[in-house]
Amino acid sequence: DTEVTQTPKHLVMGMTNKKSLKCEQHMGHRAMYWYKQKAKKPPELMFVYSYEKLSINESVPSRFSPECPNSSLLNLHLHALQPEDSALYLCASSQAGFRTEAFFGQGTRLTVV
Amino acid sequence: ILNVEQSPQSLHVQEGDSTNFTCSFPSSNFYALHWYRWETAKSPEALFVMTLNGDEKKKGRISATLNTKEGYSYLYIKGSQPEDSATYLCAFQGGSEKLVFGKGTKLTVNP
Repeated sequence: DTEVTQTPKHLVMGMTNKKSLKCEQHMGHRAMYWYKQKAKKPPELMFVYSYEKLSINESVPSRFSPECPNSSLLNLHLHALQPEDSALYLCASSQAGFRTEAFFGQGTRLTVV
Repeated sequence: ILNVEQSPQSLHVQEGDSTNFTCSFPSSNFYALHWYRWETAKSPEALFVMTLNGDEKKKGRISATLNTKEGYSYLYIKGSQPEDSATYLCAFQGGSEKLVFGKGTKLTVNP
């Protein structure tokens, strides 16, 4: 199984809502990532978890809260988002360490209204 | 600010043509250069992870070269097919798990 599964595929939320994005992999990867991609821009790294510990936070606003409950699961909790947070959110996983390929999910298309 | 540039932004070729595109990246603190193919409505898929200066990698009709001293990588597609239509992303990795992506080259292969 070389899949990274993200749910939901699409999400529309109001600025006062709380929602969560979920990501799951069963490849035994110990590094997991959240990327954000806005239209016509490259994917930008938000967070990296390595061995279930947060290792990189790219100065992401606190309205985005990541969580890694175990080595297979990665969540992104969303609260009080702004319309400019509307984007495609991609999850990825890889073997821990550098120089290893990342496996991506299909993404969650988020619209904040 | 770390800059990864890809050119051209988009490319239209005929089926059977060979094509290539470029990724330029910082030549310092280099760990790896990744290439991904991203088809519409699918997940980005890894093509190559290149680590050594002078590296050449091949997967079927697709190949890539790497020059870390001058900071560029080329991706070649031989005999393009319509199913090669996708956006090709390169990503620089320098000293951490972070990948810095270029904006991609959107390839359209016309039958």
